[in-house]
Amino acid sequence: SQQGEEDPQALSIQEGENATMNCSYKTSINNLQWYRQNSGRGLVHLILIRSNEREKHSGRLRVTLDTSKKSSSLLITASRAADTASYFCATAGFQAGTALIFGKGTTLSVSS
Amino acid sequence: DTEVTQTPKHLVMGMTNKKSLKCEQHMGHRAMYWYKQKAKKPPELMFVYSYEKLSINESVPSRFSPECPNSSLLNLHLHALQPEDSALYLCASSQEQGVGQPQHFGDGTRLSIL
Repeated sequence: SQQGEEDPQALSIQEGENATMNCSYKTSINNLQWYRQNSGRGLVHLILIRSNEREKHSGRLRVTLDTSKKSSSLLITASRAADTASYFCATAGFQAGTALIFGKGTTLSVSS
Repeated sequence: DTEVTQTPKHLVMGMTNKKSLKCEQHMGHRAMYWYKQKAKKPPELMFVYSYEKLSINESVPSRFSPECPNSSLLNLHLHALQPEDSALYLCASSQEQGVGQPQHFGDGTRLSIL
């Protein structure tokens, strides 16, 4: 069963605007990861945040994690047309050998 | 360019055919994964190999048969598939099958079953 639920399912913005996507999950996690998937391509790992971290930055990406609310958000600042893609959160439990569980994804469209 | 290479990129096959999907990585990763992805859905895990041994089989039908000949290669043998098996098949690898290690994905094989 899926652990993460992204919100919104779809998001359309203009270039230069910020995009925020949210992910909620149900059970305790070791870490949470965000992946991007461009149309017709594989997934690309963007960022990993551990359960003892609250915020992490990578370039134009900012990820927050609130373990008390079992939620995470991905902020993309100053969006570009090239950011158009689907974004998935994936959660990892504590037991070694268990698989990542992917959420349903948010489809982001950035128009110029 | 991705560091995980999958061939072929596209495959069309009939329900009685036998074909194989191939995946290769040269990052020294010891865990490799097969996922199935339908349109507008997240990837669904099928199999995990760790140190060339099958570690996870997510109750996948026997018409899908994985094989890991060595630490760099992963195959998925297909036989007697059904139309509902049409999907994007993704291969991924990670350093080890540790707790939540980031995965590197190939660009997939788009499979169509006639």
